[in-house]
Amino acid sequence: QSVLTQPPSVSGAPGQRVTISCTGSSSNIGANYDVHWYQQLPGTAPKLLIYGNTNRPSGVPDRFSGSKSGTSASLAITGLQVEDEADYYCQSYDNSLRGSGVFGGGTKLTVL
Amino acid sequence: QVQLVQSGAEVKKPGSSVKVSCKASGGTFSSYDITWVRQAPGQGLEWMGRIIPILGIVNYAQKFQGRVTITADKSTSTAYMELSSLRSEDTAVYYCARGREEFDPWGQGTLVTVSS
Repeated sequence: QSVLTQPPSVSGAPGQRVTISCTGSSSNIGANYDVHWYQQLPGTAPKLLIYGNTNRPSGVPDRFSGSKSGTSASLAITGLQVEDEADYYCQSYDNSLRGSGVFGGGTKLTVL
Repeated sequence: QVQLVQSGAEVKKPGSSVKVSCKASGGTFSSYDITWVRQAPGQGLEWMGRIIPILGIVNYAQKFQGRVTITADKSTSTAYMELSSLRSEDTAVYYCARGREEFDPWGQGTLVTVSS
């Protein structure tokens, strides 16, 4: 049971827009901790996709965007491409766990 | 450009310990945190703990408290994660990553298999 809740799977056709939610609580996202997102392609290490709720590292296409409101955050992907098929994880911190890092359970994106 | 290179795969017996290394190149090792994350087969990511090499401060997830030890050798720019009293549920890929807030970059991962 992950501290941050994500849908297990989402899907979309090439060119479409999908969103992945990340729901937390008052001790993590709602406590003003930033949310970060990672993309994990099969058999590889996770890669930072969004940091500080809304910021993209250099090299990440602007098709990827992040937002945060209250105790939740979202990752949006527009113009879906086949190579976007991967697992996506949100991450934050939790002050009820002595400041430990916490991850969402991950969301498998399938591009139909 | 910081790069993290981890040690190779390990096979361990239940009850034993494993020590995984994470060597950094590029950047100033002492100036950034190293975080350890693991991923069991087919499962999600799990935060284990982090070290601030310049201060020698370490934080561990409650779940691993007492079983995990994270250290850093500034002279070789290498961080270590040692997990003791291994059980089958510890079979996972163990990753190191740079950073305290967000994690970037990540090491390539080290598969630790616990089997009798």
